[in-house]
Order: sequence, then structure tokens, then C-alpha cells
Amino acid sequence: SQTIHQWPATLVQPVGSPLSLECTVEGTSNPNLYWYRQAAGRGLQLLFYSVGIGQISSEVPQNLSASRPQDRQFILSSKKLLLSDSGFYLCAAPTGFSNYGYTFGSGTRLTVV
Amino acid sequence: AQTVTQSQPEMSVQEAETVTLSCTYDTSESNYYLFWYKQPPSRQMILVIRQEAYKQQNATENRFSVNFQKAAKSFSLKISDSQLGDTAMYFCAFSDSGAGSYQLTFGKGTKLSVIP
Repeated sequence: SQTIHQWPATLVQPVGSPLSLECTVEGTSNPNLYWYRQAAGRGLQLLFYSVGIGQISSEVPQNLSASRPQDRQFILSSKKLLLSDSGFYLCAAPTGFSNYGYTFGSGTRLTVV
Repeated sequence: AQTVTQSQPEMSVQEAETVTLSCTYDTSESNYYLFWYKQPPSRQMILVIRQEAYKQQNATENRFSVNFQKAAKSFSLKISDSQLGDTAMYFCAFSDSGAGSYQLTFGKGTKLSVIP
């Protein structure tokens, strides 16, 4: 079965510092991968998705970027964090080969101070 | 672009009672998939139920069932015999059937509190 690992689970970073969140997938090969952000009390906002190594599509213009250096690795980065980057970040991949929704990682809670 | 609307930001229900969460969506697609996800305080996203648009029969999973009205573009979730463990955020989500894309669009969520 498919498993998505995210780390770190919790992160407190000062404004202006860099960011790197990592997501790895087990149990499947060449999956579509997605980064979502959930701000406090709000829904899930799609930030980036990737259909393969080196292929990144951005849904929201911002100071975040994403990379996919390996088939099962998806990284979310920032060179300089803003207060507005605080939130809960989720990595996801389609479940199975038909449209059965997503499997999600356990998320990273980012607080920018 | 598809949109998903959940008009109830917060709801509460007494334990053992029944509650219905509303969801409407907008699409020009004829075939698609709809989902309800649960996010408990642990924040792990859990798939509750899935509905294929070309199936007229409403999906059910134990105490969870949906009322899918394709013409009205409505997809409500009914939770019967509510339990304290049902306390969570519930997200309605839409996915078209485009080959291999499986991209989900989520509503803003409904926070459900089950009261003992």
C-alpha cells in the first residue's frame, strides 16, 4: 500500500529564514505529487503539483518553490519566509490507479515568527 | 474551473443524533468523482466516502452516506448515530475524470462538533 512521509512534523522559523520541507512516497512509482497549504480555519489551497521528475506546476504565485529531484521525492522550499507562510502543509498523491482520491502525509505545522 | 462550496463553516450535533453536511459544486464535466474527507484534531486527512458521478446509487460507508443530486450539483454527507470520534473538519472535494490527472479541488470545510 502507498505511504507518504513528511518531515519535519513541526517547525518554528524566523521571518526571512529559508525553508525546506520534504515529502517521500513509498509503495508506488512515478506518482503525481501535490503540495497543499491549510491556513488556520481555512480550506486546502493547492500550491504545487508534479507529474514527474523535474516537472513542477505552480498554482499560486508566492515566495515558495517546489522541486522533484527524484521519482518519489517532492520538496517545498523558500529562500526567505514571510509571516503569511505560516500554516499546515500537506503532501499528497493519488491513491491507486483509478480516481480514489488522495493519500495524504501527516503534514508539517509551520509557524513563522 | 471547478469550484466546491461548503456553506456551513461550523455545525454541532448531539451524540447519537444524525447530522447532514452540505456541499455544492460547479462543473461543466459530465463524468467526475466526489469525495468527503475527515480531518480530526490530529490533522491526518482520512477519506470518508467516494461517489462516482455516473453512478446514480448513493454511496454508503457504515454510518456515513451521501445524497448525490447530479442535476442540482449537490453532494451532502449524512452521519448517522454520531459519535464523539466524528468531531473533525470535513472537506468536500471534486475530481474530474481527466486521464491521469486526479487533481482534487476542495471546499473550505465544515467544522463538526459532536456534543456528549
